[in-house]
Amino acid sequence: QVQLQESGPGLVKPSETLSLTCTVSGGSISGYYWSWIRQPPGNELEWIGYIYYSGSTMYKPSLESRVTISLDTSKNQFSLKLTSVTAADTAVYYCAATASSSWASGFDYWGQGNLVTVSS
Amino acid sequence: QSALTQPRSVSGSPGQSVTIACTGTSFDVGGYKYVSWYQQYPGKAPKLMIYDVSERPSGVPDRFSASKSDNTASLTISGLQAEDEADYYCCSYAGIYTSLVFGTGTKVTVL
Repeated sequence: QVQLQESGPGLVKPSETLSLTCTVSGGSISGYYWSWIRQPPGNELEWIGYIYYSGSTMYKPSLESRVTISLDTSKNQFSLKLTSVTAADTAVYYCAATASSSWASGFDYWGQGNLVTVSS
Repeated sequence: QSALTQPRSVSGSPGQSVTIACTGTSFDVGGYKYVSWYQQYPGKAPKLMIYDVSERPSGVPDRFSASKSDNTASLTISGLQAEDEADYYCCSYAGIYTSLVFGTGTKVTVL
């Protein structure tokens, strides 16, 4: 059973870079699509992007200019960087995994979430 | 990139059935077979309940079923139980220019 755990700062200043890491346990990085999804307080979920175990990535077009997702197979981790943050980026950030051959099928595994607040 | 439309809330008594509609367009729900549904308890991570429109992951009770017709996907909970009280979100692939879109969420209340 794959387990995911997010880590990173809970407070980021406006205009700075949000950085989060997701550690994968109970399974290998191989064969999965690894995604980041966020949920502003009281709002719906928003998919940010994914990285495949091969290293290929896809980002939500409206966030693409500010997002980078990377993979560290030696540590069984993948990471999110979101630049130039504003208050609108305040959200609970989840890492998630898709086991299917199609990344859009559904997110089988989720981390517990990491609340990130953007504030000075 | 509008979110898919869901009713804000639905309710039912134990043992009854409730259906949640997820309305999109031909560019998302109506155009692809990639619709998924998630259950979320307050303060918790979502849980995958349905993938690929109507497939149930291992461990999800068969009381949960889903389908799609034109631009609307639906999740039905049969034999409603107290533990089904949660928020439910649909999600659909929406092509390369939008990629993935979630629904607005529905709160299911067990009376």
